[in-house]
Amino acid sequence: EPEVTQTPSHQVTQMGQEVILRCVPISNHLYFYWYRQILGQKVEFLVSFYNNEISEKSEIFDDQFSVERPDGSNFTLKIRSTKLEDSAMYFCASAVVGWTINVNSYNEQFFGPGTRLTVL
Amino acid sequence: DAKTTQPPSMDCAEGRAANLPCNHSTISGNEYVYWYRQIHSQGPQYIIHGLKNNETNEMASLIITEDRKSSTLILPHATLRDTAVYYCIVRAIYNQGGKLIFGQGTELSVKP
Repeated sequence: EPEVTQTPSHQVTQMGQEVILRCVPISNHLYFYWYRQILGQKVEFLVSFYNNEISEKSEIFDDQFSVERPDGSNFTLKIRSTKLEDSAMYFCASAVVGWTINVNSYNEQFFGPGTRLTVL
Repeated sequence: DAKTTQPPSMDCAEGRAANLPCNHSTISGNEYVYWYRQIHSQGPQYIIHGLKNNETNEMASLIITEDRKSSTLILPHATLRDTAVYYCIVRAIYNQGGKLIFGQGTELSVKP
């Protein structure tokens, strides 16, 4: 079964450093997302991406964050200057959106295993 | 998207049915009910969704009340591997490519 993959599984960085988290979405999916989950807290939406542009972003996704789909298969999240509070699990997700013949939508998001980011 | 309310935790004996309730009393006619789960620190996993009819797939059944103000996710024969946090999410039909808003969910513990 196709799946979303993420690398690395764990990234340790120093405060102020740039990090790039990588995701390979499922190949026929058109919608891409990043979420994060701080330890012990709920999953929070960061950004959605469709047709090579950001479709929606949360308040968390400030100008320190950026996303890119550089080559048609990878989907990356860059944090320009990491802070201690950026330490979290970062999940990538992808979806194909459509409608079945009986007008029942299908658009479930498939999540990757996550990258644990630790900022020291 | 309408807000949902779930109990914070539930227990279930292995092999028995797990019935997870969700209240969404402010749901509107154009909103679907989705269920996802998150097994310890893994990425969330889609389970099932529905609009107004009951739905069943290989993982679970979804029962939506006639007034659509609440729903129940049923895992017919819970196993230890079903121990996870279960999230009930309401999402508008026109927002099909949009974000998922996760609450705190219900932590289901399946016990031997």
